[in-house]
Amino acid sequence: NAGVTQTPKFQVLKTGQSMTLQCAQDMNHNSMYWYRQDPGMGLRLIYYSASEGTTDKGEVPNGYNVSRLNKREFSLRLESAAPSQTSVYFCASSLHRGVDEKLFFGSGTQLSVL
Amino acid sequence: TQLLEQSPQFLSIQEGENLTVYCNSSSVFSSLQWYRQEPGEGPVLLVTVVTGGEVKKLKRLTFQFGDARKDSSLHITAAQPGDTGLYLCAGEGGNTPLVFGKGTRLSVIA
Repeated sequence: NAGVTQTPKFQVLKTGQSMTLQCAQDMNHNSMYWYRQDPGMGLRLIYYSASEGTTDKGEVPNGYNVSRLNKREFSLRLESAAPSQTSVYFCASSLHRGVDEKLFFGSGTQLSVL
Repeated sequence: TQLLEQSPQFLSIQEGENLTVYCNSSSVFSSLQWYRQEPGEGPVLLVTVVTGGEVKKLKRLTFQFGDARKDSSLHITAAQPGDTGLYLCAGEGGNTPLVFGKGTRLSVIA
């Protein structure tokens, strides 16, 4: 029972470097999400994909891009990392959006940008 | 923008005590969810409440949705160290994705 799998678990970048965070789910869910979690700020939505082939901005999309590669995979890319992007990133999935939307989360990626 | 305010932010209690945490908003939500997050892990869904006034129980945890569907509470009876974690409420408002509160960090001391 893998659920939602995120890689890597930890990453250290220098300012200006790029990287892609990977996320895959094996629950045949339609919707996928990327959140960041910072102390005192709770979970903030970066981007989401309501269904395969669609992506939408969340609350804090600046500095990020996403790709819904297929139904299983949803990646988050930082093109030019900044110290303000130091955070814990969570990928989540749900069967569908809307009524009775239930999120299943991965275990997170801790990213430090120096 | 729909906002969810959680209180208290931090709570440290002794094993065996009771506690209540709150999730409040000025907006109406179709449903409200509670998640628990342990260190180094992602949040895990505990319960969803849908109907105004609804009460759900999960062992020693009691969840209530306000009559006007703008607020919710989580009551824990006889807290145990295993209840330690970050409790997050999240509101579902229709076409927009779930909105999360900032959480209540609970520490239960043996």
